[in-house]
Order: sequence, then structure tokens, then C-alpha cells
Amino acid sequence: NAGVTQTPKFRILKIGQSMTLQCTQDMNHNYMYWYRQDPGMGLKLIYYSVGAGITDKGEVPNGYNVSRSTTEDFPLRLELAAPSQTSVYFCASSRTRQPQHFGDGTRLSIL
Amino acid sequence: TQLLEQSPQFLSIQEGENLTVYCNSSSVFSSLQWYRQEPGEGPVLLVTVVTGGEVKKLKRLTFQFGDARKDSSLHITAAQPGDTGLYLCAGGDGGATNKLIFGTGTLLAVQP
Repeated sequence: NAGVTQTPKFRILKIGQSMTLQCTQDMNHNYMYWYRQDPGMGLKLIYYSVGAGITDKGEVPNGYNVSRSTTEDFPLRLELAAPSQTSVYFCASSRTRQPQHFGDGTRLSIL
Repeated sequence: TQLLEQSPQFLSIQEGENLTVYCNSSSVFSSLQWYRQEPGEGPVLLVTVVTGGEVKKLKRLTFQFGDARKDSSLHITAAQPGDTGLYLCAGGDGGATNKLIFGTGTLLAVQP
């Protein structure tokens, strides 16, 4: 049971480039979430999904897009990378509204 | 906007000491969760409390939800080096997806 798997673990982007952060879970969870963690700022919710085909914005969605075509996968897309998007990104999933299982994160630097 | 403040921000103690970490807000939460995060890893859920005044114990860790469901505390008895990490509290907003508002964390270092 792999839980929540995020790829890549590290990435360096140039300003204006685009990329997709991958997240997959093998627990058949309906709820999936994307957070970003900045030093001293806690985790901020970017987007979330309550099931395949359903997504909604969190606290800080600007500059990001998501899709949920399957229960297992919830990719996060950065279209035009900006230095402010340098952060550690965490994907999480849960069966109910409360417990959440986190991946190990993607460390993204934009230069 | 709901905010959660954690104190202290940093704590360095010797093995065997006791400590308490606090999580405070002016907002009411439907649930309160505590996580521990180690370097290079994602947060790991330790406990969820949902009832005002609720106390839960996890070995040497004791978690309490405030009576008014605005605050919480985490007490560690006889801390060990394995307790070292970033402790995060997160309050649920009680909505359809119970979105979590995270605190800024308490970084704990337990010296052997």
C-alpha cells in the first residue's frame, strides 16, 4: 500500500515555464487536496476535490489549475511559473472529511 | 478569515523533560487535528478532536480541545529524541469538505 505518491520530489523551473506536479493515491479516497508550505507560514490550501470530475478553489488558487479525471489522480498544473510559487507542495487524500494522508512533497524552485 | 496561532514557535529541551504546545484562535472550529512533520516528509496525522473539552492520549502525548472549540494543547511527557519534529495544528471549518486551516507550527528539538 503506497498511500499518496507525489512526483517529482524536486524540480527547478525558469520563470515562465510550465509544469505538472503529479499526485496519485491507491486508497480509493474521494477527497484529495493540494497544499503549499512556505517557511513559517503553515500549509495553505490551493485546490481540492471531493471526487472524480469535481474540483474547487482553496485559499490560494491563483496561478494554478487542477483536474480530477480519475479517483486516483489529482495533478496540479503551473502554467506560467513565477518566483512567488517557489515552495514545497503537498498532496493529501482522505476517505472522510477529517483524516488526511499526505505525500512526501514536491520541492519546487523557480529562478 | 480564520487564523490559528501556535506557541512557542521553537522549543529545544533535554530528553526526559515535559512540554506543552498551544494552538489558539478567535474562531470556533468543528474539529482540531494535530500533525507531526519530519524534515523532507509530509505531515503525519496524530489525532483528531471534535468535542469541546475532549482529551485524547497517544502514549506520552496528551491532546486537549478547548471547551469553546477555539483552542487546543498538546502535552508531551518525558520527551524523547524521537519526538523531534514540526508539530502542526489544523482546524476544520465544518463545511462540506471540512477544509483545514493550518497553524504555523512549533518546531521541537529534543536533545539526548
